[in-house]
Amino acid sequence: AQSVTQPDIHITVSEGASLELRCNYSYGATPYLFWYVQSPGQGLQLLLKYFSGDTLVQGIKGFEAEFKRSQSSFNLRKPSVHWSDAAEYFCAVVPYSGAGSYQLTFGKGTKLSVIP
Amino acid sequence: EAGVAQSPRYKIIEKRQSVAFWCNPISGHATLYWYQQILGQGPKLLIQFQNNGVVDDSQLPKDRFSAERLKGVDSTLKIQPAKLEDSAVYLCASSSRGGGYNEQFFGPGTRLTVL
Repeated sequence: AQSVTQPDIHITVSEGASLELRCNYSYGATPYLFWYVQSPGQGLQLLLKYFSGDTLVQGIKGFEAEFKRSQSSFNLRKPSVHWSDAAEYFCAVVPYSGAGSYQLTFGKGTKLSVIP
Repeated sequence: EAGVAQSPRYKIIEKRQSVAFWCNPISGHATLYWYQQILGQGPKLLIQFQNNGVVDDSQLPKDRFSAERLKGVDSTLKIQPAKLEDSAVYLCASSSRGGGYNEQFFGPGTRLTVL
């Protein structure tokens, strides 16, 4: 079945430490890939996206993600976490399709807590 | 540029009552989406509009949910009658076009509690 999996429900890191959030997808062809962040009481904000080309994608707020076709993964990374990064992070995909609907399908999210 | 506006921000109702949510997308955005986000889960698409036409409503529980975008601008999502399991945050998003590569901009959501 087609799916997006975020294996980690909750991650806690110390401020200044590096971060990697995992995302795996299960689709026949490589879908469009996205990472969104949701801060408490706020809407989702796009961090970065991947469609094709360079497999290392740079986003906003110092985040990057690497697409690995062999592992069907699109992990999000940040070299040094700030307290303001505490939020919930969602990996999402849009299956590549020629039809009119582009249904953005989200993983269940990973909640990030940051220890000062 | 103003973002996606939603109202109300919070709503508490009893089961079997009806409720309506309103969304005003970013000006000029042709595509509008409604998502349901249940606690502990990622958002799930309920319906997608392209201008005033429905592109995808395959996951909309049509026996109780309805949505419209009559003039191709703002939109209303209605639940009638509400069930306990409808407690969730309802997110509205818009994009300039409907292609999968186009960024969707999300509103702050409406948190619905059904008692």
